[in-house]
Amino acid sequence: QVQLRESGPGLVLPSQTLSLTCTVSGGSISSGGYFWSWIRQHPGKGLEWIGYIYYSGSASYNPSLKSRLTISVDTSKNQFSLKLTSVTAADTAVYFCAAGGIRGLMFRFDPWGQGTLVTVSS
Amino acid sequence: EIVLTQSPGTLSLSPGERATLSCRASQSVSSFYLAWYQQKPGQAPRLLIYGASSRATGIPDRFSGSGSGTDFTLTISRLEPEDFAVYYCQQYGNSPLITFGQGTRLDIK
Repeated sequence: QVQLRESGPGLVLPSQTLSLTCTVSGGSISSGGYFWSWIRQHPGKGLEWIGYIYYSGSASYNPSLKSRLTISVDTSKNQFSLKLTSVTAADTAVYFCAAGGIRGLMFRFDPWGQGTLVTVSS
Repeated sequence: EIVLTQSPGTLSLSPGERATLSCRASQSVSSFYLAWYQQKPGQAPRLLIYGASSRATGIPDRFSGSGSGTDFTLTISRLEPEDFAVYYCQQYGNSPLITFGQGTRLDIK
């Protein structure tokens, strides 16, 4: 079964770029039907969808983050990545990667990675 | 922009009781595109229900989902100790494409 794991720095300086990678195991990132997704959760708060990418490279972003956001995919490494520029303390959150998608006509996120805390601070 | 409003914010119940959680959308959501998740402290969310009423693999049948249009409900028929957690609804399709409700915290009374 598909499993996901996030990796990347836990601390980012303000105004710098936050970069995370999600490694997919147990299946090919190139298999159809999955929207490889990023979701974040501010401390003690709810869930916020960041964006997703299809294996072809086609991506959709949350409009609130779109101007700072790039999501890319590397099928040779079975990975997809997130880059968020010009970060501030408001970007401090737990970042999850997840396999979203419409399967059997119905959309859901399943499975999820364990999440990684990224703190923006000097 | 679509908003999902979950109620109540916090629900305090005892094991064995029935829990009813509500998710109301500011505009109509396709039932195919409404899902529910459970999250425990320090863990990633876990898919419970998709397509408004289909249980995910391995989810006990005490969890059920219902609803259509703008009103959706997650029901836990008889609460077990492991069910006390935060629950989120989520929609796909309306701008900004994917949104989550703010969550309902289910506490032990």
